[in-house]
Amino acid sequence: GDSVTQMEGPVTLSEEAFLTINCTYTATGYPSLFWYVQYPGEGLQLLLKATKADDKGSNKGFEATYRKETTSFHLEKGSVQVSDSAVYFCALSDNYGQNFVFGPGTRLSVLP
Amino acid sequence: NAGVTQTPKFQVLKTGQSMTLQCAQDMNHEYMSWYRQDPGMGLRLIHYSVGAGITDQGEVPNGYNVSRSTTEDFPLRLLSAAPSQTSVYFCASTQGVQETQYFGPGTRLLVL
Repeated sequence: GDSVTQMEGPVTLSEEAFLTINCTYTATGYPSLFWYVQYPGEGLQLLLKATKADDKGSNKGFEATYRKETTSFHLEKGSVQVSDSAVYFCALSDNYGQNFVFGPGTRLSVLP
Repeated sequence: NAGVTQTPKFQVLKTGQSMTLQCAQDMNHEYMSWYRQDPGMGLRLIHYSVGAGITDQGEVPNGYNVSRSTTEDFPLRLLSAAPSQTSVYFCASTQGVQETQYFGPGTRLLVL
């Protein structure tokens, strides 16, 4: 079945550091790919998405490119802020099913 | 537009008690889902619905029931609570396959 693998956390960075959170997936069809963010005590919010190969999703300085050849959707940000501290989830939704598959989440802590 | 709402925010139950977690959305979405979130395990799908009157099981359905009598509401019932059901529960809705899911704020459940 479909699956999503994320790098293990927690990730701790200093403010203004470069961020990469790796995400790879396994899917039988042509999935859409998502990054969700969860701030403490809140539900998940969509951060960005890409619906086909080579698409780049971007939002709030975060970017991720849908790489079909490497089945990856790595999240990057050039300069993180303390306010980016949260848990980040990679997810996919394929064109066969009616539901999402989430990765385990990566906790990011940004220190001032 | 309230989006996805969930009640209660927090609940404590004794083993064997039953309760219903409420979920409602005002976006006229056909697809709704229930997830549980446990440390280190990401989100796991409990049940989902593709429209009023239609429900199906997800990855971890045992001990939970759902029904979908209207497009707006998708309650989750715990029939006989067990400590293993201590978790944070999220309801989500989406317009369709491969579309963005919108999450409620979550219900934190503690079963003693």
